[in-house]
Amino acid sequence: AQSVAQPEDQVNVAEGNPLTVKCTYSVSGNPYLFWYVQYPNRGLQFLLKYITGDNLVKGSYGFEAEFNKSQTSFHLKKPSALVSDSALYFCAVRIPNTNAGKSTFGDGTTLTVKP
Amino acid sequence: DVKVTQSSRYLVKRTGEKVFLECVQDMDHENMFWYRQDPGLGLRLIYFSYDVKMKEKGDIPEGYSVSREKKERFSLILESASTNQTSMYLCASSSPGPGALDTQYFGPGTRLTVL
Repeated sequence: AQSVAQPEDQVNVAEGNPLTVKCTYSVSGNPYLFWYVQYPNRGLQFLLKYITGDNLVKGSYGFEAEFNKSQTSFHLKKPSALVSDSALYFCAVRIPNTNAGKSTFGDGTTLTVKP
Repeated sequence: DVKVTQSSRYLVKRTGEKVFLECVQDMDHENMFWYRQDPGLGLRLIYFSYDVKMKEKGDIPEGYSVSREKKERFSLILESASTNQTSMYLCASSSPGPGALDTQYFGPGTRLTVL
């Protein structure tokens, strides 16, 4: 079975500081890993994904994530946070070619960026 | 761009009513999903479908059923609504094809209140 953990319910950072939202996973096999974001009163939207290759993946809005196989982590990062980055972030894992496209989502981390 | 639409943004129903939530996607995606989102519980998968007339139970199928008569449309049915089904319902679609690789695209959500 696959599982995802987001150990922090809430992350607070000051605008201009770097941010990290943590995600660890547990799967048997080589996973696809995703980050999604939900801005207030809006649906979830795709941010970035890791499939294979370079461990550092770049996505929308200046976000990036680093895949670390030995630590089974896929932390989301941004060098300089903006107030507009305040949102709910979900990490998800998918085992290719199984379960008809089903992904397992973490419980979400609320990021608050203060001016 | 992928577009996933849901029939209602807000819905208020009474206990015992039969409720239909409709979802339509315009990208010819094979997979479609229904989730509910509750504070502190993240996203929980109710049902998913990988083809027309095919469906599989997710993590919390009790009290729900689904219908997929056409590829673009996936309906969630609450046979007899109860107050504990008050929630935000999110529909998503995905494709396993090259490039997409099961990235999920979400609708705006339906906030259902059962009185």
